[in-house]
Amino acid sequence: AAGVIQSPRHLIKEKRETATLKCYPIPRHDTVYWYQQGPGQDPQFLISFYEKMQSDKGSIPDRFSAQQFSDYHSELNMSSLELGDSALYFCASSLRGLQTQYFGPGTRLLVL
Amino acid sequence: AQTVTQSQPEMSVQEAETVTLSCTYDTSESDYYLFWYKQPPSRQMILVIRQEAYKQQNATENRFSVNFQKAAKSFSLKISDSQLGDAAMYFCAYRKTGTASKLTFGTGTRLQVTL
Repeated sequence: AAGVIQSPRHLIKEKRETATLKCYPIPRHDTVYWYQQGPGQDPQFLISFYEKMQSDKGSIPDRFSAQQFSDYHSELNMSSLELGDSALYFCASSLRGLQTQYFGPGTRLLVL
Repeated sequence: AQTVTQSQPEMSVQEAETVTLSCTYDTSESDYYLFWYKQPPSRQMILVIRQEAYKQQNATENRFSVNFQKAAKSFSLKISDSQLGDAAMYFCAYRKTGTASKLTFGTGTRLQVTL
């Protein structure tokens, strides 16, 4: 079965640079979620989209923005990167009527 | 705000034995969902099992089962016939009903499986 696709899988950036993370949900899934997992921590919710509209927002820095496109893929844009942004970024998707979120493999971001 | 607590940072079990991981949560909602996710060294988040709060019957998935006690707000995971491949970090997670509701995770329990 097709899974959630995230790209890139690994990303190295310098401080103050910009990064764009992409997420392609499971086919027919219309809801996308972004989570950030720091080293040794549990995943923290950033933001979610349903039918291309922002649905819920967590502790996402103002330097980050995200959107969901007409084909339901989503992008997380991160600007003015800081050392503390180094983390594993997960995208998950679900079908509205089903409450289970399926996670992608994650993007490992390292900010130097 | 909902909170999820996993009080066991680490657990160990011998191969073929049974282990139970604990999870408690706090919510004022009457309808919600609970999940256990497994995160092996690859760091992929893998769904293990899910429980709907309105269902009294405990969920089971092969060697994995839960003990859901709604009144006590407890949601433990039992792994039977433990295998080496079960070694991972296990996260308990809560989600209220509704479209695009977020998952709130506990801090995780690292499970070691020994020979």
